[in-house]
Amino acid sequence: QSVLTQPPSASGTPGQRVTISCSGGASNIGSNTVNWYQQLPGTAPKLLIYSNNQRPSGVPDRFSGSKSGTSASLAISGLQSEDEADYYCAAWDVSLNGYVFGTGTKVTVL
Amino acid sequence: EVQLVESGGGLVQPGGSLRLSCAASGFIASTNYMTWVRQAPGKGLEWVSFIYTGGDTYYADSVKGRFTISRDDSKNTVYLQMNSLRTEDTAVYYCARDPPSTTDYGLDVWGQGTTVTVSS
Repeated sequence: QSVLTQPPSASGTPGQRVTISCSGGASNIGSNTVNWYQQLPGTAPKLLIYSNNQRPSGVPDRFSGSKSGTSASLAISGLQSEDEADYYCAAWDVSLNGYVFGTGTKVTVL
Repeated sequence: EVQLVESGGGLVQPGGSLRLSCAASGFIASTNYMTWVRQAPGKGLEWVSFIYTGGDTYYADSVKGRFTISRDDSKNTVYLQMNSLRTEDTAVYYCARDPPSTTDYGLDVWGQGTTVTVSS
């Protein structure tokens, strides 16, 4: 079982804002930065946000990340049909001495 | 072009072995942290193993003692030797790069994945 908990699903209409939460603990999110990955259907994951709130080159600015305490969140503003994908948070866990992924959230554009 | 290409997946019986390869191009694997991540059918992502620039290795508890990560710098390739395979190891295995830095840049380059099926 993953130590980072996400809602299984989220949805919105085109143009809406969607937020995905990621709940962890002191040994992971509380101690380290959070990264977010997007996985489009049938493809490999892609880095979306690193170091809590930084976007790699090429990622639209409608994707944003934040972290507070032992939780993090990903926001998608101006939702578009191409944003339909699975989203995963991740962080290093100092107790497990390993990298942990969230349970994943499937975003549907209605 | 920066790229990772995995190979070596296939069908293997429970208790069998398989070695996955991850060939890097466009960058030097040994100057990066390299990792394996897997995804069982219809499931989420699961971290498997890391190899650091100095050769230190880390494993998920689910594979510790059965899987070994290694690197051949002359071939710019990372490997995952998988022994004593179980049906629950069935998954797509991805290789990814993690640039070493005081800033956490995340897993910024991923391969396309190779499929491992453990079944009798």
